Amino acid sequence: GQSLEQPSEVTAVEGAIVQINCTYQTSGFYGLSWYQQHDGGAPTFLSYNALDGLEETGRFSSFLSRSDSYGYLLLQELQMKDSASYFCAVSGAAGNKLTFGGGTRVLVKP
Amino acid sequence: DVKVTQSSRYLVKRTGEKVFLECVQDMDHENMFWYRQDPGLGLRLIYFSYDVKMKEKGDIPEGYSVSREKKERFSLILESASTNQTSMYLCASSGSTTNEKLFFGSGTQLSVL
Repeated sequence: GQSLEQPSEVTAVEGAIVQINCTYQTSGFYGLSWYQQHDGGAPTFLSYNALDGLEETGRFSSFLSRSDSYGYLLLQELQMKDSASYFCAVSGAAGNKLTFGGGTRVLVKP
Repeated sequence: DVKVTQSSRYLVKRTGEKVFLECVQDMDHENMFWYRQDPGLGLRLIYFSYDVKMKEKGDIPEGYSVSREKKERFSLILESASTNQTSMYLCASSGSTTNEKLFFGSGTQLSVL
């Protein structure tokens, strides 16, 4: 089976940096994905890590350590529009299903 | 842009009814998925399909079935709806073999009374 742990909620102010951690236990592992979901909206893909290290996409970065079964999503220069839920997800092997964590609700305050 | 369309945004059904949730994607994706989303539980996989007429159980298939008669369409069926199936249902598709990037529909909020 597969399980993922991430914090349930994080609050920060505009301009700050937020790190959302995700630890996973899987019978197999291919990669770690991150999704963003605004209230009432559909989840949208943010990033994917198959190899160890940092992937940067604009203000958002994602990190993976396969040996530690750990990854994080880094949100920099927070903006009000970043208030949303963020989900990590793992695929157990190539072509396998994607299993999601419980989600982290990020609240950005002025 | 990829478009995944779910037939209803809101649906209200009675206990015991047979319920059909429809999903259509327009990008010729091989892989399609049905998730349900409940507060604090994230997205849980119900069923998925890698090809026409092919289906595989996800993590919570009990009480559900699926149908994939055409590549673009993936239907979720609640054989006899129960109140504990009240939830947000999300359909997704993927064009990659590793399924790291899913495209989601806007969801169907189902209420079973």
